[in-house]
Amino acid sequence: EDQVTQSPEALRLQEGESSSLNCSYTVSGLRGLFWYRQDPGKGPEFLFTLYSAGEEKEKERLKATLTKKESFLHITAPKPEDSATYLCAVQPPGYKLSFGAGTTVTVRA
Amino acid sequence: DTGVSQDPRHKITKRGQNVTFRCDPISEHNRLYWYRQTLGQGPEFLTYFQNEAQLEKSRLLSDRFSAERPKGSFSTLEIQRTEQGDSAMYLCASSLPLDYEQYFGPGTRLTVT
Repeated sequence: EDQVTQSPEALRLQEGESSSLNCSYTVSGLRGLFWYRQDPGKGPEFLFTLYSAGEEKEKERLKATLTKKESFLHITAPKPEDSATYLCAVQPPGYKLSFGAGTTVTVRA
Repeated sequence: DTGVSQDPRHKITKRGQNVTFRCDPISEHNRLYWYRQTLGQGPEFLTYFQNEAQLEKSRLLSDRFSAERPKGSFSTLEIQRTEQGDSAMYLCASSLPLDYEQYFGPGTRLTVT
């Protein structure tokens, strides 16, 4: 069965203090790995899709990378508006997504 | 592009009552998904449609749950004889025919008292 584990559960950062979130996974035949951002009381917002080991994608202060067993979401010089829960999901062959529990990031000014 | 919309945004019901939620996907998205999310957890897959055909259902979807997408556009999720354990955020997502990215709506928060 597909398994996604995210760490840490919570991360408190000072504004400008860069850090990384981890997503480790086991899946039978990875079609894609997805990162989403979720604000309290709202639906997940799509950030990135990674398809193969070695792939990297960037968006503003966020950079996602992928290996055969895990993915990292790097947050460079975060701002308070980057505070959210970041969700990782894997997609095996088929279309459903299997999500991790998320990492809640709080950035203090 | 107005995004995925869901209605209602919040629903409070008493145990044993039936509830129905509606999801309108992004236009031209032929795939539609339902997920359920409880506090502190990631979304869990419930079911998925391609056009009007329901192609996959999770074991989480008990007999009290039914989903439809009658004309391949909007979808409804009905829960019969609600239980307190059904309290959760119900999320709908949609995707284009040849894309894997799923775009989520704002969710319907269900509280069963």
